[in-house]
Amino acid sequence: AQKVTQAQTEISVVEKEDVTLDCVYETRDTTYYLFWYKQPPSGELVFLIRRNSFDEQNEISGRYSWNFQKSTSSFNFTITASQVVDSAVYFCALSAPNTGNQFYFGTGTSLTVIP
Amino acid sequence: NAGVTQTPKFQVLKTGQSMTLQCAQDMNHEYMSWYRQDPGMGLRLIHYSVGAGITDQGEVPNGYNVSRSTTEDFPLRLLSAAPSQTSVYFCASSSLAIGQRRNTIYFGEGSWLTVV
Repeated sequence: AQKVTQAQTEISVVEKEDVTLDCVYETRDTTYYLFWYKQPPSGELVFLIRRNSFDEQNEISGRYSWNFQKSTSSFNFTITASQVVDSAVYFCALSAPNTGNQFYFGTGTSLTVIP
Repeated sequence: NAGVTQTPKFQVLKTGQSMTLQCAQDMNHEYMSWYRQDPGMGLRLIHYSVGAGITDQGEVPNGYNVSRSTTEDFPLRLLSAAPSQTSVYFCASSSLAIGQRRNTIYFGEGSWLTVV
């Protein structure tokens, strides 16, 4: 069975602090994909990153970085020098071809950046 | 680029009424799906389709119907609305073709539905 757990329900940080959002996944598939999506207060879901199970290289995009560790089944997301515009709900998701490419979402982490 | 377009954005229904949420995508994606988002529960899959003429149930299909007569369109029908169906609904699509964009899911802007 596929499962994504985001244990942090809500996080508050002061602007310019770094923050890490945790994501732990469960799957028996050897080929799978991991994603992060951002949902700002306006409500839309914005794609941030996609990682496949064979690529464990960490990725950095501006202030965003992602740490994928298969050994711990984690795909954590770090925002460096947070800004008020980072305030949003962030979802981690898992997809696997062997399960019809269905997406399994975590329950989301609500991040509030305080100015 | 239009991407995934869903309508209406807001709707208020009375219990027992029926309605259809429309979803269209212009990316020639094979895979389309509907999710509902409720507080503290993330996104839950209602129905999905891997191509025209093919649909299947997700995690929470009861009270909803779908059809996929074309690649572009994937409407979601509420047969007899209930207050428990008050939620935010997202349509999404994804390519199943081999390539860099495979499996990346793109969402519509959401439909806020209230059943009173």
